[in-house]
Amino acid sequence: AQSVAQPEDQVNVAEGNPLTVKCTYSVSGNPYLFWYVQYPNRGLQFLLKYITGDNLVKGSYGFEAEFNKSQTSFHLKKPSALVSDSALYFCAVRANTGGFKTIFGAGTRLFVKA
Amino acid sequence: EAQVTQNPRYLITVTGKKLTVTCSQNMNHEYMSWYRQDPGLGLRQIYYSMNVEVTDKGDVPEGYKVSRKEKRNFPLILESPSPNQTSLYFCATLSNTGELFFGEGSRLTVL
Repeated sequence: AQSVAQPEDQVNVAEGNPLTVKCTYSVSGNPYLFWYVQYPNRGLQFLLKYITGDNLVKGSYGFEAEFNKSQTSFHLKKPSALVSDSALYFCAVRANTGGFKTIFGAGTRLFVKA
Repeated sequence: EAQVTQNPRYLITVTGKKLTVTCSQNMNHEYMSWYRQDPGLGLRQIYYSMNVEVTDKGDVPEGYKVSRKEKRNFPLILESPSPNQTSLYFCATLSNTGELFFGEGSRLTVL
């Protein structure tokens, strides 16, 4: 069965500091991995994805994520946080076995302090 | 502009009063899905549709119905809403590049 764990309910970081939002997953076969962001009163927006190839993927708004197969992780990172990055972040996984079902983590709320 | 449009955005209703949340997309995507978002639980899939007239249950389908009579529309029907269906609902389509494209959400309160 597919599952996603986001071990931190909340991450606090000062503006200008690097940020990491953690995600680990479990899936049969090779995974498709995604990060989505949700701003208040808005729908989820796609940030980045890993399908195949380079383990470091770059996405919108300066975010990047590193796929680590041995640790089954896909942590979201940004070198220098902005106050406007404060939002709810969701990690998601889909098996590449032909189906389209996407499983989401519980979400991590990121607070960036000025 | 590519859009997934949900209506209503906010609704307060009473137990047992049938309601429908509409979802419409203008991207010609085949796959559409409904999710509910609850604190600490992330998003859970209610129903999905691979194409017109093809629908199937997700992880939490109890108390919900859907239909897909045309490609652009995928309404979510609550025949007899109960308080445990109070939630934030999202409709999503699957883009040709593999990521989900979400509507703005519908916040439903059942009293």
